[in-house]
Amino acid sequence: ATQLTQSPSSLSASVGDRVTVACRASQVIGTNLAWYQHKPGKPPNLLIYDASILQTGVPSRFSGSGSGTDFTLTISGLQPEDFATYFCQHFNIYPYTFGQGTKLEFK
Amino acid sequence: EVQLVQSGAEVKKPGESLELSCKGHGYIFANSWIGWVRQVPGKGLEWIGMIYPGDSDTRYNPSFEGQVFISADKSINTAYLRWISLKASDTAIYFCARHGFLRQQVAYADSWGQGTLVTVSS
Repeated sequence: ATQLTQSPSSLSASVGDRVTVACRASQVIGTNLAWYQHKPGKPPNLLIYDASILQTGVPSRFSGSGSGTDFTLTISGLQPEDFATYFCQHFNIYPYTFGQGTKLEFK
Repeated sequence: EVQLVQSGAEVKKPGESLELSCKGHGYIFANSWIGWVRQVPGKGLEWIGMIYPGDSDTRYNPSFEGQVFISADKSINTAYLRWISLKASDTAIYFCARHGFLRQQVAYADSWGQGTLVTVSS
């Protein structure tokens, strides 16, 4: 199975900061990668798919890039509601595994 | 508005059976894959598998195959996740999610159920 490794596992930042989360795949997956935001007690929320396509309704401060094995999620200008855990998930071949998550916390 | 509504929280004993449901609203249920995802408390997300309700084509994560069973009834827009014999390690939150296509391939999970907490304890 394709493994996804996210870095860092946790990240401290302040409102207004620009932050980047990385996701590395154990094999080439093209652009078959999605990013989600997950808050406690709620279901995950799709942010980005196909590595860089912004899901409808998601603020433009979120962006994604990458292809092959290395991907990044960038949040430009953190807002208070952005403090959450972020997961990547690939859709290349079964099983569609997730990264282990990156928890974004207030500094 | 697309909505997935899951069945309520369950408390079970080891060895008991269980079936969770996920009912779709606001779209053509038969035409989109429905996946199931597990979140063990304090841990990350795990993809269990998915089903295409139109023809019941099913895919499993090998880590879960034989442990759970996924099914769907397109006539009532509902997907199911079933256990024959629960274990304490099945304690988790379970989410269903509609999967969308890009370039004729599943590419994302865009609508999620609210989650169902399953507690397995003696």
